[in-house]
Amino acid sequence: DVKVTQSSRYLVKRTGEKVFLECVQDMDHENMFWYRQDPGLGLRLIYFSYDVKMKEKGDIPEGYSVSREKKERFSLILESASTNQTSMYLCASRTLQGSLYTEAFFGQGTRLTVV
Amino acid sequence: QKEVEQNSGPLSVPEGAIASLNCTYSDRVSQSFFWYRQYSGKSPELIMSIYSNGDKEDGRFTAQLNKASQYVSLLIRDSQPSDSATYLCAVNWGGGSNYKLTFGKGTLLTVNP
Repeated sequence: DVKVTQSSRYLVKRTGEKVFLECVQDMDHENMFWYRQDPGLGLRLIYFSYDVKMKEKGDIPEGYSVSREKKERFSLILESASTNQTSMYLCASRTLQGSLYTEAFFGQGTRLTVV
Repeated sequence: QKEVEQNSGPLSVPEGAIASLNCTYSDRVSQSFFWYRQYSGKSPELIMSIYSNGDKEDGRFTAQLNKASQYVSLLIRDSQPSDSATYLCAVNWGGGSNYKLTFGKGTLLTVNP
């Protein structure tokens, strides 16, 4: 089974702190995603990574950066946490089969609260 | 911006009925379509993927894709209370944005015993 593991289930940080959310997948998938999920807004893409050291901005990248130094690990960084970044953060990974992308497999989510 | 729209919920059906969930998307070039189920407080889990026009059946679930109408649906037959969850439609865009996997906002389904 594909396993996507996020480092924390719950996290409480203070405004202005630098926050690291870590995600590891064990299926050698090329693609990895970071989404945030808020009530009424659904899942919104923050950043995407094609492969090691490759990244693309999603729909809401402001206030975030990412790092992918190894294929299995994709980190989301909040440079200076703000209260409007309080949310559920979901990491996902997938691969390419032929010319089509497979489904995305999700981690368990990190509920981040910024106070 | 490319969009995925789902029928607004919540949707409530009696146990044993058919639940119908609908989704439209804005890019005709889209290639891959997915239905996820998400229980409250949990992460999304895949129910069905569909890539070609027509129907795809898996147990009580049937996904239907019509690329000309830019429409994908999910039917749940013999609905069970355990099917109560939020259902998310996801579309992988084609063309220059083919890395993007965009989700609809979801439809909350309640199956009443």
